[in-house]
Amino acid sequence: AQSVTQPDIHITVSEGASLELRCNYSYGATPYLFWYVQSPGQGLQLLLKYFSGDTLVQGIKGFEAEFKRSQSSFNLRKPSVHWSDAAEYFCAVGARGDYKLSFGAGTTVTVRA
Amino acid sequence: GAGVSQSPRYKVAKRGQDVALRCDPISGHVSLFWYQQALGQGPEFLTYFQNEAQLDKSGLPSDRFFAERPEGSVSTLKIQRTQQEDSAVYLCASSLAVATSGRTGELFFGEGSRLTVL
Repeated sequence: AQSVTQPDIHITVSEGASLELRCNYSYGATPYLFWYVQSPGQGLQLLLKYFSGDTLVQGIKGFEAEFKRSQSSFNLRKPSVHWSDAAEYFCAVGARGDYKLSFGAGTTVTVRA
Repeated sequence: GAGVSQSPRYKVAKRGQDVALRCDPISGHVSLFWYQQALGQGPEFLTYFQNEAQLDKSGLPSDRFFAERPEGSVSTLKIQRTQQEDSAVYLCASSLAVATSGRTGELFFGEGSRLTVL
């Protein structure tokens, strides 16, 4: 069974600074990987996804993530954060033909002025 | 509709009461999922529908939980004799893709129904 670990429960970053959120997964085959964002009182919104091919994927809102098979990681990055990026971020793993996603516990991002 | 709509947004129930949570997915979306999100945790899979067929209910915590999607669109998650441990946000998600496509991770989530059991 697949599982996801997000080592950082809470990250505080200054507006305009770079952001990196860590995600490690456990899965025997090639995973499908996702990052979702959840703003307060909102549903989860898909930021980006990786199925195959180029290991650096671009998403919405200026986010990108890199799949590193050797490290079983799929870290999310943004070069310059905006106050509106304050939210909770979830990494998730799935697989071909398996409709279930396994989510990490999430990382809360606080943006200070 | 434009997005996945869930109701009620908030529900407070006394222990032992039955509750029903509604999900109206995006029009035309074949796949529908229910997830449970406990406080401070990521969502946990409950059940999956492909059209009106419930293909997987392995994540339902107990036989007090029941979900249906009789006409392949709106779905209802029912919890009987609620317990305090049922307190959570219940998220509904829909997807245009079917399970065999391997791309069912492209889910559109509703805002959730927050259930508090006293």
